[in-house]
Amino acid sequence: AQSVTQLGSHVSVSEGALVLLRCNYSSSVPPYLFWYVQYPNQGLQLLLKYTTGATLVKGINGFEAEFKKSETSFHLTKPSAHMSDAAEYFCAVSEESNYQLIWGAGTKLIIKP
Amino acid sequence: KAGVTQTPRYLIKTRGQQVTLSCSPISGHRSVSWYQQTPGQGLQFLFEYFSETQRNKGNFPGRFSGRQFSNSRSEMNVSTLELGDSALYLCASKPSVLNTGELFFGEGSRLTVL
Repeated sequence: AQSVTQLGSHVSVSEGALVLLRCNYSSSVPPYLFWYVQYPNQGLQLLLKYTTGATLVKGINGFEAEFKKSETSFHLTKPSAHMSDAAEYFCAVSEESNYQLIWGAGTKLIIKP
Repeated sequence: KAGVTQTPRYLIKTRGQQVTLSCSPISGHRSVSWYQQTPGQGLQFLFEYFSETQRNKGNFPGRFSGRQFSNSRSEMNVSTLELGDSALYLCASKPSVLNTGELFFGEGSRLTVL
């Protein structure tokens, strides 16, 4: 069965520092990959997605992620963290066979002033 | 275009009671999914409805049920509430079950069971 692993339930970075949130998946076929963000007291919203084509995907708010098939990874990065990036980030994977999203456990991003 | 609307946003119930939560999807979206979010378990898929039929179901007891109406609006019901049902219940919509794209989430209904 498909699974998604997000390394680190909490990640703390200083304002202006690089943000790196890790996501690994298990899949025998090329998946569709997503990153969602959840700000406090809100629902989730899509940051970016990979379906086909270019493996480096750019999303909203300066975030990007790279699909690496050989490493079964889809890590999320942002060059310079802002206080407004403090939120919980979820990685998700789906397969074309059933269109269901499999979710990671989420990573809370903490930004230190 | 209006987003996904969930009502009520907050509610408090006592053990043994039942609760009904409502979700209005984005206009034109016919697939509605429900999730339970808790600090310990993360995001747990409850069920998905499309064209008034349940298409997929997560691993929850029968106390959790849902339905979808002809206008795609959906409700979920939890009967005989337990303390562990305290959670944020999220509704999400997309155009079709065959769509592997973006899910659009509502802001959730936060249920507290005392």
